[in-house]
Amino acid sequence: DQQVKQNSPSLSVQEGRISILNCDYTNSMFDYFLWYKKYPAEGPTFLISISSIKDKNEDGRFTVFLNKSAKHLSLHIVPSQPGDSAVYFCAASEDTDKLIFGTGTRLQVFP
Amino acid sequence: EAEVAQSPRYKITEKSQAVAFWCDPISGHATLYWYRQILGQGPELLVQFQDESVVDDSQLPKDRFSAERLKGVDSTLKIQPAELGDSAMYLCASSHRSGRRVEQFFGPGTRLTVL
Repeated sequence: DQQVKQNSPSLSVQEGRISILNCDYTNSMFDYFLWYKKYPAEGPTFLISISSIKDKNEDGRFTVFLNKSAKHLSLHIVPSQPGDSAVYFCAASEDTDKLIFGTGTRLQVFP
Repeated sequence: EAEVAQSPRYKITEKSQAVAFWCDPISGHATLYWYRQILGQGPELLVQFQDESVVDDSQLPKDRFSAERLKGVDSTLKIQPAELGDSAMYLCASSHRSGRRVEQFFGPGTRLTVL
């Protein structure tokens, strides 16, 4: 059973606009969440994270929002740039460093 | 910039054959992870090492998969015999220590195709 779900396999956004990537989880014991970005032919790279004691974490153009009651988190990219085109993975962990990944969302930012 | 190295980048084999993948983590990183990513899915942890010791191999199919990190540096993941369902991307990651707030750095992966 998929504990971390990314229900949108793809997203297309115009350059300069906001990109919103969504992630849902089922395990209420998860208390740390991460987003990874993956370019073709490269491994995933860490983007941003959030602890369950927070509901928002911001790093430059990237902001992650966490709604614990809904078991939902989202990644906002503002403004979106063509270089942001990649696959984005949501991941979660419980009380260990084992990461449970979602299936990924392919973001395409067009001019 | 230090990177996780993996080889080969691509491997095509026939079912029933043995295959091996190699990973060289970032220098000084004590923790090493092997993940498998099946097409259309996210990476799934197969095995985690802390130095030369296995910390978690609960998702490793031990009847055909084996992993070692003899000197606590580089690591080898082996599949014998390979099956069609093993076709996937095998990713290696490392971190300077274990812990869930410690960033994991991923290598480029080895794409395995089993015919």
